[in-house]
Amino acid sequence: GQNIDQPTEMTATEGAIVQINCTYQTSGFNGLFWYQQHAGEAPTFLSYNVLDGLEEKGRFSSFLSRSKGYSYLLLKELQMKDSASYLCAVRERGGSYIPTFGRGTSLIVHP
Amino acid sequence: NAGVMQNPRHLVRRRGQEARLRCSPMKGHSHVYWYRQLPEEGLKFMVYLQKENIIDESGMPKERFSAEFPKEGPSILRIQQVVRGDSAAYFCASSPPVGETQYFGPGTRLLVL
Repeated sequence: GQNIDQPTEMTATEGAIVQINCTYQTSGFNGLFWYQQHAGEAPTFLSYNVLDGLEEKGRFSSFLSRSKGYSYLLLKELQMKDSASYLCAVRERGGSYIPTFGRGTSLIVHP
Repeated sequence: NAGVMQNPRHLVRRRGQEARLRCSPMKGHSHVYWYRQLPEEGLKFMVYLQKENIIDESGMPKERFSAEFPKEGPSILRIQQVVRGDSAAYFCASSPPVGETQYFGPGTRLLVL
């Protein structure tokens, strides 16, 4: 099984940069996903990391360190619409490859 | 290119009734996953299906819950004799071959009175 930990809530200012951390414990790592979920809506895919390093995609970047069981999602030039829950999900080798989701980090962006 | 479709978006049932939730995967996707989400909690995996096959139902309660994905038509999650604790958002996701990224539908909010 997996143990995924992320902060419950974070606040940040419009235009700033925020880093959302995710730590995990797994017996056979096979990929880490980040999803964004606005209140009352479906989770939408943001990024996928399976190798160590930084993946950049516009204002959003995701970093992975497999040896430390650690990932972060970096959001730059924050906008009000970035206020949402950010879900970290980890997939293990073997079985049916279903990712396990963390509880999510609720990000509030204020003016 | 339509995304994952779910209906109904909202469903109200009284205790003891049956709830049927439908999910049509993205075009070209043959794998369907059902998740449940309670307020302030993460997505909890329930069941993974391919056409006419249940691949993994390890997250689905043994009683009252069932799922199917027939050869034709949408996947259906069925909850019999609903109780108040079944009130939650139920999300369906689909993917092409296993291991690929899952894409989520808008969810069905079930309220049991």
